[in-house]
Amino acid sequence: GAVVSQHPSRVICKSGTSVKIECRSLDFQATTMFWYRQFPKQSLMLMATSNEGSKATYEQGVEKDKFLINHASLTLSTLTVTSAHPEDSSFYICSARVGTVYGYTFGSGTRLTVV
Amino acid sequence: AQTVTQSQPEMSVQEAETVTLSCTYDTSESNYYLFWYKQPPSRQMILVIRQEAYKQQNATENRFSVNFQKAAKSFSLKISDSQLGDTAMYFCACQGAQKLVFGQGTRLTINP
Repeated sequence: GAVVSQHPSRVICKSGTSVKIECRSLDFQATTMFWYRQFPKQSLMLMATSNEGSKATYEQGVEKDKFLINHASLTLSTLTVTSAHPEDSSFYICSARVGTVYGYTFGSGTRLTVV
Repeated sequence: AQTVTQSQPEMSVQEAETVTLSCTYDTSESNYYLFWYKQPPSRQMILVIRQEAYKQQNATENRFSVNFQKAAKSFSLKISDSQLGDTAMYFCACQGAQKLVFGQGTRLTINP
């Protein structure tokens, strides 16, 4: 089946630094990828929709300058958390739409801790 | 836009029992899809079952089945013969043309 590989699985960084999270579709082309954020014991909140070759679409309340999304190829989307602060600590998950109608596959997630 | 509501934050049943998780949704789109996802402690999202809104027949996948009431905008998940491995967070989700939106989740615990 369709697999999305997400790296790193865990990352700890210092306040003020930037962190990049990668999501790769391994055996299919993902024209659209989605980035979610999940706080402990809460649901997945959509942050942005990433389309290959164009600018990402951010959800209301998500700072586009803090969460930079790049989808430069059909198999790779990246999320860069810039100038990270402790409140950015969270679990980030990517997903890709599989097929033309419905069906999503998810990455395994990245636990970001900002100290 | 879609909204999804799960009114049961936590549920607990004994192994081998049947349990039903509730979900209601709202959407302005005529074509949409509904899903139940499972998130075990590993936090990997796993698709449990999906339902095309245009289909009247309820979807089933082995021990998992749904009760889809389109007029009531209700989409409940029934787990039969529950197993210890079913312990997880369960999220109901609705997909429209652009987005997949999740409910708040139900933490299900299966007790031995």
